[in-house]
Amino acid sequence: GQSLEQPSEVTAVEGAIVQINCTYQTSGFYGLSWYQQHDGGAPTFLSYNGLDGLEETGRFSSFLSRSDSYGYLLLQELQMKDSASYFCAVPLYGQNFVFGPGTRLSVLP
Amino acid sequence: SQTIHQWPATLVQPVGSPLSLECTVEGTSNPNLYWYRQAAGRGLQLLFYSVGIGQISSEVPQNLSASRPQDRQFILSSKKLLLSDSGFYLCAWGLRLGGHTEAFFGQGTRLTVV
Repeated sequence: GQSLEQPSEVTAVEGAIVQINCTYQTSGFYGLSWYQQHDGGAPTFLSYNGLDGLEETGRFSSFLSRSDSYGYLLLQELQMKDSASYFCAVPLYGQNFVFGPGTRLSVLP
Repeated sequence: SQTIHQWPATLVQPVGSPLSLECTVEGTSNPNLYWYRQAAGRGLQLLFYSVGIGQISSEVPQNLSASRPQDRQFILSSKKLLLSDSGFYLCAWGLRLGGHTEAFFGQGTRLTVV
C-alpha cells in the first residue's frame, strides 16, 4: 500500500524558519509534491521534487532523499499568511495522488 | 487557460436526501479527474478517479457514486445521504506540468448533512 507520514502540528513565530517533514512508503515512486491549504480553501500546489536535492522557490524550499524515503518543506522568513495546512503528496503513475495527513502550521506574532 | 469549476460552494441537506455535485474543467482535454473528501481538520481521502468518459474507479466503499458523462464533466452523487457524508468535497484534475503531474483543485463544496 501507500502511506505518508507528517507531524500533525507545527508552531513558529513570524520571521522564523520552519521545516515540515514527510516520510513515505509507496510503490512506483515518481517524486514528492507539496500543497498548501488555508482554512476553508482548496489545496494549492507549492513544489515538486522529482530528483534528490533541494528545490527553491522564493521563501519556500523542498528537499527529497529517495534513499531515505524522506522529504521536507522549508519555509523561511515566516509570515502570518503562511498559517495553513501543508500536505505532502506522491503522484502515482497515470491515475492517482496519495496525500499525507497534513501538518497544520501556526505562525505566531 | 485551464480552469476547474465546482458547485455549489456550500450545501445543507437532510439525511436521506439525494446529492449531486458537479465539476467541469476547461482548457484541457481527456483529463484525469478526481473526487476527494476532507473531514474537518483532516487529510484528503480519495473517493473516485476517472481517466476517461464512463471510466470510474472507486477507492473506498461508501454511500456515494460518481459518473463522467462528458470528457470534462465529473459528477458525484448519492441516492440517500447519511450524516457521515458531511465534509468538504474537492474535485481535482491531474494537470501535466513539465514532466510531472500536479493536482489542480476546484474551490470545493462544503456539505453538511442534518
